[in-house]
Amino acid sequence: DIQMTQSPSSLSASVGDRVTITCRASQSISTYLNWYQQKPGKAPKVLIYAAYSLQSGVPSRFSGSGSGTDFTLTISSLQPEDFATYYCQQSYSSLYTFGQGTKLEIK
Amino acid sequence: EVQLVESGGGLVQPGGSLRLSCAASGFTFRSDEMNWVRQAPGKGLEWISYITSSGNTIYYADSVKGRFTISRDNAKNSLFLQMNSLRAEDTAVYYCARVWMGYMDVWGKGTTVTVSS
Repeated sequence: DIQMTQSPSSLSASVGDRVTITCRASQSISTYLNWYQQKPGKAPKVLIYAAYSLQSGVPSRFSGSGSGTDFTLTISSLQPEDFATYYCQQSYSSLYTFGQGTKLEIK
Repeated sequence: EVQLVESGGGLVQPGGSLRLSCAASGFTFRSDEMNWVRQAPGKGLEWISYITSSGNTIYYADSVKGRFTISRDNAKNSLFLQMNSLRAEDTAVYYCARVWMGYMDVWGKGTTVTVSS
C-alpha cells in the first residue's frame, strides 16, 4: 500500500499568514494527489485535485503543487474560516490512502 | 441537489454486525464509483472500501478485509457496507463519498458506529 506522510502534524498561524503543508508519498504517484479540508463535526471538503487543480468554488488563496512523491498545499493569506484540519489523499492506487492530517490552529 | 445520506449506524457489541446504507440523489449514481471512509474519535480519515459503478471491482483496506463487504443497488441508488465481527477499533463516523476523477467530491454527513459492550 502507498503510505502518505504529512508535515507538520499541527501548525499555529495568524490571519494573513502564508502557510504551507507538505505531503510525501512512499512511492511515485505522479499527480494523483488530492487535498481536503475538514472542520469539526463536518464531512471533508475537497480543495485541490490532481495535485494543483482548484475545485470549483474554492477560494484562489488555496493552491497545490508537486508531482512524484512530494506535494505541497499553500494558503496564501489565511482567513479565519481556514482554521481546520487538512488531509492529503492519493488516488494513484484504488486502495486510496490519506495522510494523517495537519491541524491548523490560530496563533 | 447532489446528496448522499448515510444511515444504519448505532451501538453494537463486539463481535456483532451492522449494515450501513448510503442513499444517493441528484446525480446518476449508476455511473459513479463510490468509497466508504471512516474517522475514529479524535483521529484522521481512513479509507476503507471502494466499488466501481457496476460493482464488478471492489477493494478493501487491510483493516477491514474479510469482515466488511461493500455492495450497491443501482436501481435503488444505494450503497451498502455490511460490517461483521465488529471490534472496538471499528468505532467511528462512517462516510460514503462519490469518486470523481480520482477524488471524493460529494460526501454524506456520516453515520456513527459505536462498538462497545
